[in-house]
Amino acid sequence: AQSVTQLDSQVPVFEEAPVELRCNYSSSVSVYLFWYVQYPNQGLQLLLKYLSGSTLVKGINGFEAEFNKSQTSFHLRKPSVHISDTAEYFCAVTRPYNQGGKLIFGQGTELSVKP
Amino acid sequence: EAQVTQNPRYLITVTGKKLTVTCSQNMNHEYMSWYRQDPGLGLRQIYYSMNVEVTDKGDVPEGYKVSRKEKRNFPLILESPSPNQTSLYFCASSPGLAGGRETQYFGPGTRLLVL
Repeated sequence: AQSVTQLDSQVPVFEEAPVELRCNYSSSVSVYLFWYVQYPNQGLQLLLKYLSGSTLVKGINGFEAEFNKSQTSFHLRKPSVHISDTAEYFCAVTRPYNQGGKLIFGQGTELSVKP
Repeated sequence: EAQVTQNPRYLITVTGKKLTVTCSQNMNHEYMSWYRQDPGLGLRQIYYSMNVEVTDKGDVPEGYKVSRKEKRNFPLILESPSPNQTSLYFCASSPGLAGGRETQYFGPGTRLLVL
């Protein structure tokens, strides 16, 4: 069975500092990996996704993530955060050809950017 | 504008009073899904639909029903709501499954309180 673990439930950081949000997954087969962001009182929107190819994936708003197969990780990074990045971030995994297109979500990480 | 809409956005009800949360998408997507979001648990899938008249259970289907009579609509029905169904609900859609590679587009959420 697949599972996703986001290692930090809350990450406070000062504006313009770098940030890394950690995500580990478990799966016995190849997976597709996603990061979604949820701004306050809004639905989720896609930040980036890894399907295949280059292990470094670039997304919107200056975020990037690196797929590490040996460590089964997909950590999200941004070199310099803004106040507007304050949101909850969800890592998610799905299997190729899985049943029902089910995304398995992590528990979420609340990123709080302080001035 | 391409979007997923949900109604109502906020709902307070009492135990046992049937309710329906509507979901509609204007992108001609085949795949639609319902999730519930609870603190510390991330998002969990309730039901999904791969096309008209095709629905199946997700991870937490107990106490919920769905129907897919038209491609654009995917209502969530709570026949006899209970307090443990108090949650934030999201509808999502995607063009298809494409083996799980497709991005899912989320509605703004419905916050439900069952007294």
